Amino acid sequence: GESVGLHLPTLSVQEGDNSIINCAYSNSASDYFIWYKQESGKGPQFIIDIRSNMDKRQGQRVTVLLNKTVKHLSLQIAATQPGDSAVYFCAENTPQKLVFGQGTRLTINP
Amino acid sequence: GAVVSQHPSWVICKSGTSVKIECRSLDFQATTMFWYRQFPKQSLMLMATSNEGSKATYEQGVEKDKFLINHASLTLSTLTVTSAHPEDSSFYICSASFQGSSNQPQHFGDGTRLSIL
Repeated sequence: GESVGLHLPTLSVQEGDNSIINCAYSNSASDYFIWYKQESGKGPQFIIDIRSNMDKRQGQRVTVLLNKTVKHLSLQIAATQPGDSAVYFCAENTPQKLVFGQGTRLTINP
Repeated sequence: GAVVSQHPSWVICKSGTSVKIECRSLDFQATTMFWYRQFPKQSLMLMATSNEGSKATYEQGVEKDKFLINHASLTLSTLTVTSAHPEDSSFYICSASFQGSSNQPQHFGDGTRLSIL
């Protein structure tokens, strides 16, 4: 069935460190995943996506890894900055709709 | 590109009032628009999917007579919360997608915070 979940609801990192946000999914047929960033009082902002024919995709300071064997994906943010503070959602993009995980709040310590 | 504008950004009104929220795709034609509701510290919950020129598809548990959705053009969808009550207070967010959901990521508006007194 449709189920996307996150391992941790909160993550606190030092400025400049790398951040890793994890996400598990249950539907082995899932083939398209998206990471969104939501800042306080705003709508989700597209960060990066990945399809099941790839294991890794890189963007600017972000990398998404997909492990289909264990149905797990992660978002890595390099050199975390204060502006990265937000809630991060992984989402499974099904043919009918987008299914969001619960979200991880990323806090940056100075 | 792929800008979605939502208006108003916040509304405060009395119980029993009907409130209309607009969602516009500014630089692309959105064949499909989605309406979500988000309560504090929770994830987004899909309320309904609307395709231009046809009736919206509502998720289970969402009252279609309470939340009226109109998608009359490829750039505009509206959500009307009829006879709003305090329990309808929430953050309502729309998104738009070209060519439906599965081929392209959805792009979101900045939400409307609705407070019913």
